[in-house]
Amino acid sequence: QLQLQESGPGLVKPSETLSLTCTVSGGSISSTTYSWGWIRQPPGKGLEWIGSIFYSGSTYYSPPLKSRVTMSVDTSKNQFSLKVSSVTAADTAVYYCAKIPSGRFMDVWGKGTTVTVSS
Amino acid sequence: QSALTQPRSVSGSPGQSVTISCTGTSSDVGGYDYVSWYQQHPDKAPKLMMSDVSKRPSGVPDRFSGSKSGDTASLTISGLQAEDEADYYCYSYAGSYTLVFGGGTKLTVL
Repeated sequence: QLQLQESGPGLVKPSETLSLTCTVSGGSISSTTYSWGWIRQPPGKGLEWIGSIFYSGSTYYSPPLKSRVTMSVDTSKNQFSLKVSSVTAADTAVYYCAKIPSGRFMDVWGKGTTVTVSS
Repeated sequence: QSALTQPRSVSGSPGQSVTISCTGTSSDVGGYDYVSWYQQHPDKAPKLMMSDVSKRPSGVPDRFSGSKSGDTASLTISGLQAEDEADYYCYSYAGSYTLVFGGGTKLTVL
């Protein structure tokens, strides 16, 4: 059974770069039919799609975040990663990684990791 | 600000039916049959309840159904149960492997 697990620092200082990794287990990240994505949820608010990446490295980002987001994939480690630069308090959220079949919907989710932006 | 519009809250008594709407535009909901719905209980990860407008993943009760008309998609829950109380989010494919989201609806089972 495919499982995803987010990891990374829980506290990031304002103006710095947030970095998270999602480890995929129980299956291969190298599929032409899936993309892998990041979704976040600020405290008390709704879900926000951040972006998606295929194992080939093709990326697709949410327009409002595009200038600050970078995603990458490491097929040798079965992992994909997220970087958000120049963070502010508004980037404080629970960050989820997910599997996205054909780029259309999220069918497997990680448990989420909380990231707080604070000095 | 969410791209898709959902009611902030809906409610119903056990055994009743409720419908949650999700309104977008011809660039997202109206343009593709790729609307999905997610259930989220407090402090839990979201769970896929419906994909491609009306496809129920394995394990999701058939009390849940999805539909779409024009730029509005809907999730209907019949035979409400206490465990259905949760937040529900809609998402739509918007072209070029991008996704747009709704603001979420809180379902209260009275």
